[in-house]
Amino acid sequence: EAQVTQNPRYLITVTGKKLTVTCSQNMNHEYMSWYRQDPGLGLRQIYYSMNVEVTDKGDVPEGYKVSRKEKRNFPLILESPSPNQTSLYFCASKTTEGVNQPQHFGDGTRLSIL
Amino acid sequence: LAKTTQPISMDSYEGQEVNITCSHNNIATNDYITWYQQFPSQGPRFIIQGYKTKVTNEVASLFIPADRKSSTLSLPRVSLSDTAVYYCLVGGFPGYSSASKIIFGSGTRLSIRP
Repeated sequence: EAQVTQNPRYLITVTGKKLTVTCSQNMNHEYMSWYRQDPGLGLRQIYYSMNVEVTDKGDVPEGYKVSRKEKRNFPLILESPSPNQTSLYFCASKTTEGVNQPQHFGDGTRLSIL
Repeated sequence: LAKTTQPISMDSYEGQEVNITCSHNNIATNDYITWYQQFPSQGPRFIIQGYKTKVTNEVASLFIPADRKSSTLSLPRVSLSDTAVYYCLVGGFPGYSSASKIIFGSGTRLSIRP
């Protein structure tokens, strides 16, 4: 089954404790992206990657890092999490072949930073 | 990047046709219009995409006027299960910068009543 898998689904942690949210897709998609979703603000793009070793900032990259060492994986790293990073996070992927193919989203990761 | 504007919320009743309009005055020549649906605690799901005139699939229709500065998502005979947030996005062909960075608006919260 084609899917985007995020882990963990839920995490409560404390300020300053480094954490990584993993994202993996099994569709051989070139493009991957991370979003955060906050009430009243919709989804905002954090980082995206056009392919392996190619990443770029989205609209709200501050406080986050990403890496794309393999095509299937795109982890989101919070080096020193703060309470304002408490949010619902989504990973997405899509192919860059063809005309503007739609994104496939994971089921989300709810992070609470205390 | 073209910004989109949608109504914050809409209400309707089961069996009715619902039309959600999205404004995108700065749409570029190579931009497509894509709609996503999101249920609570789930990632967005692709509904429909178009470039001009009318597109129809098994769940919705998309109407795009000649100037392409707006688009209307039409949901025929809605049911309670259509209660969700609907997002309109504009973006271009793969490889164009506008297709790499993606902007979701705040979406339209559609509530269907019995």
